[in-house]
Amino acid sequence: DTGVSQDPRHKITKRGQNVTFRCDPISEHNRLYWYRQTLGQGPEFLTYFQNEAQLEKSRLLSDRFSAERPKGSFSTLEIQRTEQGDSAMYLCASSSRRGELTDTQYFGPGTRLTVL
Amino acid sequence: KQEVTQIPAALSVPEGENLVLNCSFTDSAIYNLQWFRQDHGKGLTSLLLIQSSQREQTSGRLNASLDKSSGRSTLYIAASQPGDSATYLCAVVTSGTYKYIFGTGTRLKVLA
Repeated sequence: DTGVSQDPRHKITKRGQNVTFRCDPISEHNRLYWYRQTLGQGPEFLTYFQNEAQLEKSRLLSDRFSAERPKGSFSTLEIQRTEQGDSAMYLCASSSRRGELTDTQYFGPGTRLTVL
Repeated sequence: KQEVTQIPAALSVPEGENLVLNCSFTDSAIYNLQWFRQDHGKGLTSLLLIQSSQREQTSGRLNASLDKSSGRSTLYIAASQPGDSATYLCAVVTSGTYKYIFGTGTRLKVLA
């Protein structure tokens, strides 16, 4: 396994611009999670995919946020009309090959977003 | 609403000490609990996962226990080393949901 990868690692944008992040999970993992983490806090759940189906989405996620996992492999997280409050580390995690009972999560290195 | 609290927020100990990190959660109807380690500015690494039916898990110098009825978990680190310095986070999944709720972490520094 090559691990969970995220791209880009850093993104600086101006308020009002749209940004898109990509997450490539561990091969054959069918569960994928997105989190947001700010300084000094634990990760905050944003959304969960099982294969290509988005099964849970945080109420904290405003209409400006959308996530997709079109073929059940990689996922994208888009933030429209960014605000300074969106500045955070965005983390992706994957788990569970088919038939596995464990739900150990493997995290990517994160994408650090700075909104000016 | 599930809430997860970790005490202490920060801890500094000399090398070689055994130490205990605490995690408490308000809703005992959990599916599982995980302990993670996060190095500064990096992603998280899963240390131990305890299913709701289990009481403890061990890996090397780490031992995690779970008491669902009291809403508590502890992470025991034996013979601490400077390389153990990191933030330790616990997270729970409440039954009926998929989302992990994290505590704010315990920032550990082990002094050589």
